[in-house]
Amino acid sequence: GESVGLHLPTLSVQEGDNSIINCAYSNSASDYFIWYKQESGKGPQFIIDIRSNMDKRQGQRVTVLLNKTVKHLSLQIAATQPGDSAVYFCAEAFRFDYKLSFGAGTTVTVRA
Amino acid sequence: DSGVTQTPKHLITATGQRVTLRCSPRSGDLSVYWYQQSLDQGLQFLIQYYNGEERAKGNILERFSAQQFPDLHSELNLSSLELGDSALYFCASSPGLGGYEQYFGPGTRLTVT
Repeated sequence: GESVGLHLPTLSVQEGDNSIINCAYSNSASDYFIWYKQESGKGPQFIIDIRSNMDKRQGQRVTVLLNKTVKHLSLQIAATQPGDSAVYFCAEAFRFDYKLSFGAGTTVTVRA
Repeated sequence: DSGVTQTPKHLITATGQRVTLRCSPRSGDLSVYWYQQSLDQGLQFLIQYYNGEERAKGNILERFSAQQFPDLHSELNLSSLELGDSALYFCASSPGLGGYEQYFGPGTRLTVT
């Protein structure tokens, strides 16, 4: 986890707004970047991943952007809901190597 | 519910003791991973097993060991426990040799006193 970190430890978002969670990484050799969500009292839950040869990938209400030039990863959540309140972790991995290296996490709180 | 089960949910023990954490992966998943989550170290990969064989190792202490049995359940053994071993221990599973989408269990909270 030393090479993966997050810009902000906390983020407060109004319900219905879009959220942007940022992550900086230092290992340019990483092949995959993955976002996980951890709700209070639960284990992490996979959200989405992106391969290093891609710039953008979309899922259900989420978009991950990868900027290899500045080694920056972001997760955008559209129309944030109360159920999105959680700690969000970015992780990195190498191809065919499934030991995930997690960053410190950003706590997202959704205001009603 | 991820389909991964872990027992026990909580464990309180004394320094120097040995404990065993148990994990049952999702039905059909062949890979099992163990992670440790603590306030100071964050979420750290410990070890991965695939179909009974060790496949990848992280910064797992020599006092810790794991195994995966023929029925694919896994156990993490922690011995000579120290106060610093207090943490949440998660097991995760995925199909095949491995995957970036891993299904995490609810964790075992270990408290060493």
